[in-house]
Amino acid sequence: DIQMTQSPSSLSASVGDRVTITCRASQSISLYLNWYQQKPGKAPKLLIYAAYTLQSGVPSRFSGSGSGTDFTLTISSLQPEDFATYYCQQSYSTPLFTFGPGTKVDIK
Amino acid sequence: QLQLQESGPGLVKPSETLSLTCTVSGGSLSISSYYWDWIRQPPGQGLEWIGSIYYTGSTYYNPSLKSRVTISVDTSKNQFSLRLTFVTAADTAVYYCARQSNRGWFDPWGQGALVTVSS
Repeated sequence: DIQMTQSPSSLSASVGDRVTITCRASQSISLYLNWYQQKPGKAPKLLIYAAYTLQSGVPSRFSGSGSGTDFTLTISSLQPEDFATYYCQQSYSTPLFTFGPGTKVDIK
Repeated sequence: QLQLQESGPGLVKPSETLSLTCTVSGGSLSISSYYWDWIRQPPGQGLEWIGSIYYTGSTYYNPSLKSRVTISVDTSKNQFSLRLTFVTAADTAVYYCARQSNRGWFDPWGQGALVTVSS
């Protein structure tokens, strides 16, 4: 199985801050990496697919980068509605999909 | 706009069978290139992929659950279903249904259904 790790597991930030979350795969997954945002009591929402492609309707302050084993989700200017938990997910070893453990972003 | 909605009992006794149905509206699940998936999330924990089904009935399961899981599809009702047998407290989770793209991302998701395993 491909294992996914994320760092940090949580972070505190202020509105307007630039936030970076890292996801690492246990082996190369090319560009088969997707990012989700989950707010409390809600289903995850797709933000970015295939490492860097922004899902329709997602604000441009979100961006993704990376390839192989190391990936990054960046929020260029944190907004109040961005406080949530973020998960990465690999879709390289289909059909056995795995998610990272999540990164919780809360208010400083 | 495609929407998915989970339904089923919210409480299941240990050793019994968990059954959930996902109803797809605003589109057909009999569309090529998409799979239809179940994913779960224990309270306060991360996400675990359970399995996938194609409209033809072809299925894939997480090996860790494979011996207990069955996913089926009813194209006439635009629904797909999950059965998980011999449940324990460890199966307590919010269960989500979702559409899987041909490159493996999930969008959209249902709102989720909390299933508690308890006597």
